[in-house]
Amino acid sequence: QSAPTQPASVSGSPGQSITISCSGSDSDIGTYNAVSWYQQRPGSSPKVLIYEVRRRPSGVSSRFSGSKSGSTASLTISGLQPEDEAIYYCCSYAPFNKFALWLFGGGTRVTVL
Amino acid sequence: QVQLQESGPGLVKSSETLSLTCTVSGASISNFYWSWIRQSPGKGLEWIGYVDNNGVTNYNPSLKSRVAMSRDTSRGQFFMRLYSVTAADTAVYFCARLPLGSGDYYFDHWGQGILVSVSS
Repeated sequence: QSAPTQPASVSGSPGQSITISCSGSDSDIGTYNAVSWYQQRPGSSPKVLIYEVRRRPSGVSSRFSGSKSGSTASLTISGLQPEDEAIYYCCSYAPFNKFALWLFGGGTRVTVL
Repeated sequence: QVQLQESGPGLVKSSETLSLTCTVSGASISNFYWSWIRQSPGKGLEWIGYVDNNGVTNYNPSLKSRVAMSRDTSRGQFFMRLYSVTAADTAVYFCARLPLGSGDYYFDHWGQGILVSVSS
């Protein structure tokens, strides 16, 4: 099983929208809608932004949205704000030989210009 | 309000056993799945395994031969042991809740993390 692939960095100006991709395979993202996204600021633990591809936990800003096409999931941040600077990780359920397994992407550093 | 707190030694000698505890408040250990996840310095996240609401465990195949998880429902704690550690096991270790029993395949609450270094 290979970890999903994310771009190392994405940047944008305040107010713009950016999209982070998460490329998996037919055996994980391509089959299961168990894709989640996490935001991690320096010195903090990850915080869930999106689960089940596009659902937002209560309290998460509607500026964060998720989608999926084939074996690639995406996180879009609309109306980019300075506090959005962080590292973003995707995560997919990727069962292996009938055992549960979760795989995280390598993370994408978001910079607000 | 669900809170998780990791505890354990910050330094472990190579070839020895890393033992961590996660203390949970605001939720019952018996009603959820509980996971350990680690993050090597400057690197991404790696799921280690979980203990479920019945005490059954499931581990990442890459670590399965060296890891053991358990829980103590009376104390609201769950545990991880990682055997025969090497420098590659140096990481921040997080405990997290996995609401898989309700069909949710994500980690909704995390501890603050504990840095464990392996020394030679």
